[in-house]
Amino acid sequence: NAGVTQTPKFQVLKTGQSMTLQCAQDMNHEYMSWYRQDPGMGLRLIHYSVGAGITDQGEVPNGYNVSRSTTEDFPLRLLSAAPSQTSVYFCASRGLGTNEKLFFGSGTQLSVL
Amino acid sequence: AQTVTQSQPEMSVQEAETVTLSCTYDTSESDYYLFWYKQPPSRQMILVIRQEAYKQQNATENRFSVNFQKAAKSFSLKISDSQLGDAAMYFCAYRSAANAGGTSYGKLTFGQGTILTVHP
Repeated sequence: NAGVTQTPKFQVLKTGQSMTLQCAQDMNHEYMSWYRQDPGMGLRLIHYSVGAGITDQGEVPNGYNVSRSTTEDFPLRLLSAAPSQTSVYFCASRGLGTNEKLFFGSGTQLSVL
Repeated sequence: AQTVTQSQPEMSVQEAETVTLSCTYDTSESDYYLFWYKQPPSRQMILVIRQEAYKQQNATENRFSVNFQKAAKSFSLKISDSQLGDAAMYFCAYRSAANAGGTSYGKLTFGQGTILTVHP
């Protein structure tokens, strides 16, 4: 069981470039989410989804797009990268039951120059 | 909106000693969950312990225990018999138990984190 798989683990972008962070889970979880981690600020929710075709904004959605075409995949798109998006990004998923545990991916370290 | 505050950016402890990490939160909800996550240098997020607000009994997991004070909105983590492998960043987190049209399910609000150093 692979759990939550994020790719790539590291990425360097130039300002204005676009890229997609990939997230896949094999646990048939309805809920998937993206967080960013910045020093002194903990993890903050970017976008989340409660099922295929359903997405919603979190606390810091600006500059990011998401889609959920399948239960398994929840990619995060940066359309025009900015230095302020330099961060560590985590994907996480869980079932929708109240006692379900949240599973995290291993994170993506993104640097925007 | 809920907020979670960890007022200790860094803490240190001697191996085999006990250390307590502090966390306070603000919410108007009566039913919720609180968590402590550990993040070692590998960056992996590891769930340490979980507390359900409707349970008065404090959660324990081996050497880890919490002091949950609902009225004071305080949720501290006690690590007993500290080990070198406990060195990590620790995050306190809050999750609503409500499901208002699915908008709160799974959404965690994190504190700023506390870096724990364990000295041999």
